[in-house]
Amino acid sequence: EIVLTQSPATLSLSPGERATLSCRASQSVSSYLAWYQQKSGQAPRLLIYGASNRATGIPARFSGSGSGTDFTLTISSLEPEDYAVYYCQHRSNWPLWTFGQGTRVEIK
Amino acid sequence: EVQLLESGGVLVQPGGSLRLSCAASGFTFGSYAMTWVRQAPGKGLEWVSTISGSGGSTHYADSVKGRFTISRDNPKNTLYLQMNSLRAGDTAVYYCAVWSGPFDYWGQGTLVTVSS
Repeated sequence: EIVLTQSPATLSLSPGERATLSCRASQSVSSYLAWYQQKSGQAPRLLIYGASNRATGIPARFSGSGSGTDFTLTISSLEPEDYAVYYCQHRSNWPLWTFGQGTRVEIK
Repeated sequence: EVQLLESGGVLVQPGGSLRLSCAASGFTFGSYAMTWVRQAPGKGLEWVSTISGSGGSTHYADSVKGRFTISRDNPKNTLYLQMNSLRAGDTAVYYCAVWSGPFDYWGQGTLVTVSS
């Protein structure tokens, strides 16, 4: 089973600051990694798939990078609507997909 | 427009059974694998089960294997999750989802509470 470890657990930042979220896989997932955003009471929303491809309608301030075991989600300048929980998910071992435990981005 | 609408979540006693449904529309249902994901209160996302487009292949997380059964009715565009021998640890919002690269849609979720 592939385990995804996200860090940090919580990120406290002010609007306009840059957010850098990390996701590390216990073994290589190539580029089969996705990032989701989840706000309270809502279903997750896909941000990034294939490690670096933005999903439809996702603003350019969101970007993903990495391959193999180390991945990063970057929000270049935080907007008020970006405060949420972010999950990474691997899609390399159909269909035994797993999620990371999440990173909460909160207002500082 | 793609829509996924879950139903069937209720309060059930430990050891009880429940069947969740997910009505799909707006896409060719039988062409896609479908998945159930759950989220316990205040916790993260947990993959539960996936079924292939034809229904011929099913997969389960270890935490539900032997207790839950995923199935689908392609003519009715409906996904199911039969949940037996329910435990307190199964309490969660259950989402049905479909994803294939950028094609990624989730329902709004249905709450299952297992408690006496």
